[in-house]
Amino acid sequence: GESVGLHLPTLSVQEGDNSIINCAYSNSASDYFIWYKQESGKGPQFIIDIRSNMDKRQGQRVTVLLNKTVKHLSLQIAATQPGDSAVYFCAENRRSGGGADGLTFGKGTHLIIQP
Amino acid sequence: DAGVTQSPTHLIKTRGQQVTLRCSPKSGHDTVSWYQQALGQGPQFIFQYYEEEERQRGNFPDRFSGHQFPNYSSELNVNALLLGDSALYLCASSFRRSGGYTDTQYFGPGTRLTVL
Repeated sequence: GESVGLHLPTLSVQEGDNSIINCAYSNSASDYFIWYKQESGKGPQFIIDIRSNMDKRQGQRVTVLLNKTVKHLSLQIAATQPGDSAVYFCAENRRSGGGADGLTFGKGTHLIIQP
Repeated sequence: DAGVTQSPTHLIKTRGQQVTLRCSPKSGHDTVSWYQQALGQGPQFIFQYYEEEERQRGNFPDRFSGHQFPNYSSELNVNALLLGDSALYLCASSFRRSGGYTDTQYFGPGTRLTVL
């Protein structure tokens, strides 16, 4: 089965609120994690990545948190906008030291923005 | 600067046929990975090509094969198509640093394959 999974298939938030999307992984050897956003009919779009030697990384309106103790990854989106509506995937590279080789994806969380 | 491009956009085939999908990587990238995405699922890794050789492979049968050309573009071939091969096929490109460490993968728009 999938070792990279998401706790909720759908997340509905109000426009302007913050969103938190969670992901669990089971492979302790995984050392590289990425969040992708996929809009309907398009390929996955890179959002942010984090390596296992970090706990937190920030981008523009997004923050990724990595908790290696409980093998948990989260994506926080600040001040959610209508354009944030999409399916969000976390992905991991299970081959230690391989960077982004052969990514393993979860099933995704559909983020819905309510006006 | 062109991103990852794929062709064709859509394709309809019948069971038993063979199909070839094409991918051109982002400028400056030398590594191409292929993924299969079934409806409502996350992408699944098929294989990765670097220096014209298959470097890694996921859990896919030998009916799935590929090729990388000197200009880093790549093809995915699927033989003896099954109904279950219907999916979005995604190509991702990246740059492999010295030591084999590959940077972030950037995806193309995909090819939607329908097998009837």
